[in-house]
Amino acid sequence: NAGVTQTPKFQVLKTGQSMTLQCAQDMNHNSMYWYRQDPGMGLRLIYYSASEGTTDKGEVPNGYNVSRLNKREFSLRLESAAPSQTSVYFCASSEIYTGYTFGSGTRLTVV
Amino acid sequence: GDSVTQMEGPVTLSEEAFLTINCTYTATGYPSLFWYVQYPGEGLQLLLKATKADDKGSNKGFEATYRKETTSFHLEKGSVQVSDSAVYFCAFNTNAGKSTFGDGTTLTVKP
Repeated sequence: NAGVTQTPKFQVLKTGQSMTLQCAQDMNHNSMYWYRQDPGMGLRLIYYSASEGTTDKGEVPNGYNVSRLNKREFSLRLESAAPSQTSVYFCASSEIYTGYTFGSGTRLTVV
Repeated sequence: GDSVTQMEGPVTLSEEAFLTINCTYTATGYPSLFWYVQYPGEGLQLLLKATKADDKGSNKGFEATYRKETTSFHLEKGSVQVSDSAVYFCAFNTNAGKSTFGDGTTLTVKP
């Protein structure tokens, strides 16, 4: 099915461990995004990439890094996980004036 | 700055009741407007959109009209079903592409 694919779907990390969340889209969209969703906090933008080769910080970038590997793929890395990074992470893609297409999410727990 | 204000939830309705979820926005330029729906345990899905003033977006019995004079995009459905229970997000984007989201409104429909 066309859309946005995120892996893994679930992950448990210990404090201080690192991991990379993967995201790929097959709609030829230029823009890609990483959000986190916490109870009562809505969606908060971590990083985004307006086009291949560019990345910009969102509202809550601290503790994260991103790589726009090519037009299809946009990964999010946690270098040293902290309990405050326990959340549900969503990747999305879009074109100008279109809505977003979201992935199904990665549920991350840091213990 | 850019912002979206949504009706606070949770909203609880009986099956076949009329639904309105209010949304107003503050944006520079001429935004496109969107409603997304998030079912439990899933990512957000685009529900409907409108790209210019007086446009009406519709899908699955839901409707919303782009009201430029009141900067509003209220979501309505004439007869809700239990299966409509979800979180609804209002959003807009401009030519920068990046969307601004509301905090979400939780709808519960009881049989």
